[in-house]
Amino acid sequence: SQQGEEDPQALSIQEGENATMNCSYKTSINNLQWYRQNSGRGLVHLILIRSNEREKHSGRLRVTLDTSKKSSSLLITASRAADTASYFCAAPRDYGNKLVFGAGTILRVKS
Amino acid sequence: KAGVTQTPRYLIKTRGQQVTLSCSPISGHRSVSWYQQTPGQGLQFLFEYFSETQRNKGNFPGRFSGRQFSNSRSEMNVSTLELGDSALYLCASSSGGGASDLYGYTFGSGTRLTVV
Repeated sequence: SQQGEEDPQALSIQEGENATMNCSYKTSINNLQWYRQNSGRGLVHLILIRSNEREKHSGRLRVTLDTSKKSSSLLITASRAADTASYFCAAPRDYGNKLVFGAGTILRVKS
Repeated sequence: KAGVTQTPRYLIKTRGQQVTLSCSPISGHRSVSWYQQTPGQGLQFLFEYFSETQRNKGNFPGRFSGRQFSNSRSEMNVSTLELGDSALYLCASSSGGGASDLYGYTFGSGTRLTVV
């Protein structure tokens, strides 16, 4: 079973616009991780935010975490065509030995 | 340093056959976990190995098994293949010891298995 839900399921924007993806989860977490997947290939780790953090930045990425609402959001600013991919949130379970993934958001950036 | 290497990249098998997939983690990483990705079920955890011991197992039938060698390389085996086993199989590595809680996991490019 998946840890949470992501919305939107799909997002289509123009190059240069910002993209926001949301993730909700069901149980308490130690941290939340975001991954990107290009065209059914492997997952690339983007950013990790710990439960005691509220916001984290990495380049054009900004992640927020609201543990009271059990939700997180990933913001990609000034999007590029190369950002076209699927984005997944994931939470570690069972002492961090496994990740439980959301269903993912498919982002398409049109040039 | 080299990333996570999965072989083969693509595989076509017939129902009833068995298959073995291989994963070489990043040098020095001792934890290897496996995931199955399908359009219907998304990313599902299969199992995780650390220092040759299976520490965690997902909700998959016994036809799915794995092992880890002393050099941390891991294999997963699926016996008596079914059409529903067609999927992208991903492995991920971390150094273990809680490192994944700081740095996340590094994934391989996956093995695309098609069962016909």
